[in-house]
Amino acid sequence: AQSVTQPDIHITVSEGASLELRCNYSYGATPYLFWYVQSPGQGLQLLLKYFSGDTLVQGIKGFEAEFKRSQSSFNLRKPSVHWSDAAEYFCAVGLKTSYDKVIFGPGTSLSVIP
Amino acid sequence: EPEVTQTPSHQVTQMGQEVILRCVPISNHLYFYWYRQILGQKVEFLVSFYNNEISEKSEIFDDQFSVERPDGSNFTLKIRSTKLEDSAMYFCASMGEVNTEAFFGQGTRLTVV
Repeated sequence: AQSVTQPDIHITVSEGASLELRCNYSYGATPYLFWYVQSPGQGLQLLLKYFSGDTLVQGIKGFEAEFKRSQSSFNLRKPSVHWSDAAEYFCAVGLKTSYDKVIFGPGTSLSVIP
Repeated sequence: EPEVTQTPSHQVTQMGQEVILRCVPISNHLYFYWYRQILGQKVEFLVSFYNNEISEKSEIFDDQFSVERPDGSNFTLKIRSTKLEDSAMYFCASMGEVNTEAFFGQGTRLTVV
């Protein structure tokens, strides 16, 4: 069955430090890949997406992610974290069926300390 | 920029009552979805809807749930007899065509008391 894992439940980083959030997926083919961010009590905001082509994708708010087929991974990175980046981050897989439902990972909660 | 709109943002209902969550997808989109997020947990797929019928549903989407596109613009999720465990954030999403991204609404927080 398709699944998405995010090994880190919670990460704390200092403001200005670099960030990497891990994501691995299990799927029979190369899926579509997404990262969403959710602030407390808010909806889901798309940070970036990978459909095909260049395996390093740029997103909003200075985030980027790299698709590595050999590792079934799609890790999210940011070179310098800002306090406003504190939120819940969800990796998600879009299944290439006719109806393209999205399977979400369990999320990683990011705290930023000054 | 077009967006998916959900109303209400928060609804409180008594156990056993029927509730309807409303969504206005992006106007030219053809694929519609409902997802659920219980507090502190991950977002879970409930149902997809295309061409005026359910295309796929999860195990969560039992007989207490139904979806409808009553007038060509709204997309609703009905819970017939709410249970305490239905308390969650419900997200609507729409997609224009296959192989593109889905756009999510801001969610409706449902609290069953």
